[in-house]
Order: sequence, then structure tokens, then C-alpha cells
Amino acid sequence: KQEVTQIPAALSVPEGENLVLNCSFTDSAIYNLQWFRQDPGKGLTSLLLIQSSQREQTSGRLNASLDKSSGRSTLYIAASQPGDSATYLCAVILSGYSTLTFGKGTMLLVSP
Amino acid sequence: ETGVTQSPTHLIKTRGQQVTLRCSSQSGHNTVSWYQQALGQGPQFIFQYYREEENGRGNFPPRFSGLQFPNYSSELNVNALELDDSALYLCASSRSRGQETQYFGPGTRLLVL
Repeated sequence: KQEVTQIPAALSVPEGENLVLNCSFTDSAIYNLQWFRQDPGKGLTSLLLIQSSQREQTSGRLNASLDKSSGRSTLYIAASQPGDSATYLCAVILSGYSTLTFGKGTMLLVSP
Repeated sequence: ETGVTQSPTHLIKTRGQQVTLRCSSQSGHNTVSWYQQALGQGPQFIFQYYREEENGRGNFPPRFSGLQFPNYSSELNVNALELDDSALYLCASSRSRGQETQYFGPGTRLLVL
């Protein structure tokens, strides 16, 4: 059974800092990995999707990396802003399946 | 292009009642997946519908049932509500049942008293 773990559970940083969120998964036979953002009480917004054959994806100030063999992904946020405050969720799809398995998320607070 | 919509946004029910949640998929999408997100947890897969047929189910009891209509919109029905059913219910649509990107709706917040 695939398990996804995210560390840390919560993170508080001052505005302008660069930060790294971590995600690990137990079964390396993944098809892809996605990072989502969730604002309080809201739905999920997809940030980045990395196919299993890729090593990283970038979008603006966000960079996600994937090391399938070690079962790890990181989300790097550069020059953090208060508007980045949200919960960040990591999810994987196993090869041969079409459902997402999520971690519990990292709650990020960026203070001005 | 219209995104995924869900209704209602909030709902309060009492234990033992039944509830129906609705989801309209994004234009051009024929697959809908439902997830339950308890407070402080990641979403958990409930089931997926592809072209009106169930295409996979997570570890949820039979009192959670679903339906997909010819226009690919979907319903999630929960019978005999329990307190632990209180959660945010998320619907996601995708182009196909394969490993396509899933686009999420805003969710329905259900509170069971």
C-alpha cells in the first residue's frame, strides 16, 4: 500500500526566505507526482506535475524535484511572500492506477 | 472553459440522515473522482466514475455510493450518516480514466451533528 509522508507538518518563515518542503513515498512505481496548494476550507489548486521520467519541474518561484529511486520529492519556494501562506499537499499516482494518494500536507505561514 | 463546480458549498445534517452531493465536471472531461478530506488530513479516495460506470473504489463502506450521468456530472450519496463523515468532500474531473491530470472543485463542507 502506497504511503505518502510530508515533512514538516507546519512551517513558519519571515517574508523573503527561500524554503523547502519535503515529500516521501513508499512505493517507487509511480506514474507521476503532483504538488497542490490548498487555502483554508477550499479546494485544491495544482501547482506542478512531474512525470516519473522527469527529474524536476519549474513554475515561476516554484521548483519541484523528483528522485523516484529514493522515493522523495521536494518543493522549493523562492523568495516567499505572505500570499504563499497555505497548505501544500503532495500526491502520487501509482503506475497502472488512476487515483491520487495524498500526504497530510505542510501548513506554511509566511509572515510580513 | 468552465471549471469543476460542486454543490452545495456547505451542509449540516444529523446522524442517521442521508445526503447527496453534486459535481459538474470540466468541459471535455468524462471521468470524475471523489475524495474525502477530514480536518488536518490529506484527501482520501472514495471512488471514480468513467462514462457512467464505477472505475475503482477506495476503502469506504457501501453506504457511500455514487452515480455519473450522461453529461458526466456526478453525485455522491451517503446513507446513515455518522459523526466521522464530517469532512470536506472534493470532486475532481479528468479527460479520461487513465493517468490524466485531475482538476479539483471547491468542495462541499459536510457537518454531521
